[in-house]
Amino acid sequence: GENVEQHPSTLSVQEGDSAVIKCTYSDSASNYFPWYKQELGKGPQLIIDIRSNVGEKKDQRIAVTLNKTAKHFSLHITETQPEDSAVYFCAPTRDTGRRALTFGSGTRLQVQP
Amino acid sequence: NAGVTQTPKFRVLKTGQSMTLLCAQDMNHEYMYWYRQDPGMGLRLIHYSVGEGTTAKGEVPDGYNVSRLKKQNFLLGLESAAPSQTSVYFCASSLGQVQETQYFGPGTRLLVL
Repeated sequence: GENVEQHPSTLSVQEGDSAVIKCTYSDSASNYFPWYKQELGKGPQLIIDIRSNVGEKKDQRIAVTLNKTAKHFSLHITETQPEDSAVYFCAPTRDTGRRALTFGSGTRLQVQP
Repeated sequence: NAGVTQTPKFRVLKTGQSMTLLCAQDMNHEYMYWYRQDPGMGLRLIHYSVGEGTTAKGEVPDGYNVSRLKKQNFLLGLESAAPSQTSVYFCASSLGQVQETQYFGPGTRLLVL
């Protein structure tokens, strides 16, 4: 199965700074790379995803970049705000032979006001 | 449109007791999933279903059973609860295909004494 690692496990930034979370995976056939955000007391929610034919995708203050050669992708959050405080999960996968996602262990982001 | 709902929200069990967690979705999704979330371990897949009447094992299926008699419902059963099953349980659903967005319920917190 897919071996997924996230770094760092915890991240604390000042409001307005940028945050970067990295996800490393083992399956070279992976071609779908989503990021989920879990706020305290809630279920995870998809915030951005990218497919293997694209190197970068942006949505307002968040972006995901992909390095297929090195088998890692990253979540970038700019101009962080207190409401960005949450746990973020990556879940790389491929569309053949898979029926479910394998989630990373999560990164806890704390944005200090 | 309620999305994904879970019943109950919180439950305390004694070792050896049984219970059923109910997940319901009103989005006509084909795929449904049960995860458990423990501190520092992210989300681990227990069982999943790719359609009404089908179920399959995930990463950590031991001690759990599931049923998908109706498309909108996915039940998770614990036949004889153990303290190791103390966790937060999340249900999720998706249209189909592993690359579709998963929509999560609010979670069920289970404490086994």
